[in-house]
Amino acid sequence: SQQGEEDPQALSIQEGENATMNCSYKTSINNLQWYRQNSGRGLVHLILIRSNEREKHSGRLRVTLDTSKKSSSLLITASRAADTASYFCATAHQAAGNKLTFGGGTRVLVKP
Amino acid sequence: DTAVSQTPKYLVTQMGNDKSIKCEQNLGHDTMYWYKQDSKKFLKIMFSYNNKELIINETVPNRFSPKSPDKAHLNLHINSLELGDSAVYFCASSQEAGRGEKLFFGSGTQLSVL
Repeated sequence: SQQGEEDPQALSIQEGENATMNCSYKTSINNLQWYRQNSGRGLVHLILIRSNEREKHSGRLRVTLDTSKKSSSLLITASRAADTASYFCATAHQAAGNKLTFGGGTRVLVKP
Repeated sequence: DTAVSQTPKYLVTQMGNDKSIKCEQNLGHDTMYWYKQDSKKFLKIMFSYNNKELIINETVPNRFSPKSPDKAHLNLHINSLELGDSAVYFCASSQEAGRGEKLFFGSGTQLSVL
């Protein structure tokens, strides 16, 4: 079964608003990563957060990790139309040789 | 220069045919992967090679055979294609294996089996 599961499956917001999506997983992780996929393209790595970290920032992106709840969130602040994409979380589990396991993604539509 | 490039971008073929997808990375990475993305956008790992050696082989029909002639190339050959093989196939690479490092993806090959 998929380890990382994103919520919501889809999100529609106006430009300038913030977008928040969540990822839950089942077993202990080494790290958790977020990726973006534009329509018809490959996935692009956004940010990696390790199991001993609680928060990380990159530009307009903020990622939190709560290992006690086995969940992470990705916040995109001041969204732009160009942020329209699918966002995936991926988890690396030491017990599984740290191979990355992806969820089904959150489809984000930012309306101008 | 594209870091991870795969060809072709689109592949339309009949059931029962044999086809190949090629992948090359110019990042100097040791590890390469094949992922399959289904119509619901779930991404599943199929294979991983580290320095030409197979290290991950998920439950994939043996009609799928990866080949890595060198660490910069990982090709995927599919025999006797079936309707259920229709999906987008992504090649990816990472610096090392087994450390959960970030992946660099190709732009995908959309395979349609008719």
